[in-house]
Amino acid sequence: ILNVEQSPQSLHVQEGDSTNFTCSFPSSNFYALHWYRWETAKSPEALFVMTLNGDEKKKGRISATLNTKEGYSYLYIKGSQPEDSATYLCAPLLGNAGKSTFGDGTTLTVKP
Amino acid sequence: EADIYQTPRYLVIGTGKKITLECSQTMGHDKMYWYQQDPGMELHLIHYSYGVNSTEKGDLSSESTVSRIRTEHFPLTLESARPSHTSQYLCASSVGGANVLTFGAGSRLTVL
Repeated sequence: ILNVEQSPQSLHVQEGDSTNFTCSFPSSNFYALHWYRWETAKSPEALFVMTLNGDEKKKGRISATLNTKEGYSYLYIKGSQPEDSATYLCAPLLGNAGKSTFGDGTTLTVKP
Repeated sequence: EADIYQTPRYLVIGTGKKITLECSQTMGHDKMYWYQQDPGMELHLIHYSYGVNSTEKGDLSSESTVSRIRTEHFPLTLESARPSHTSQYLCASSVGGANVLTFGAGSRLTVL
């Protein structure tokens, strides 16, 4: 099983704080990396698809970067809001196998 | 709105019963997946299919079986449920090279 590590495991911040999480994965045979947001009582939803070393993606206050050579991706949230509270999952794909392996996620709680 | 449907959402059954978790998608996606998530743990791939009559076991060993007779339908069956099968089961589908997953709402199974 592919070793995908996410840190921190959980994070509690105040509304308005900016925060970031890390996803580490084996760098060999990299194909793509996906970030998902999983809100309580809902299904995981895709946030970003990242494929190239140095990729930067942005959606509103959330952005992500990718370093395929060293095997990590960062997710940033600027000015956290309570509606950002969720578990954020990263899922790298290696080779072209089409199978996503998930990290155990970072659970973010934003207090009003 | 999700185009991938799972039933039942919640199921509590006794040991030894046969159960089938249903998963259907209306998007015409060729690839479908079953993930299992134990409480506090990451999502683990237990089965996947790249098309009709194609099924493969995932990274995590499972006593369940799957079938893919129609593109839109990917049911998971446990012939004789045991308490160790208590878990959440998430169905997903994808299409194309990016393999971004669309998830169902999940089926939470409790075996007494």
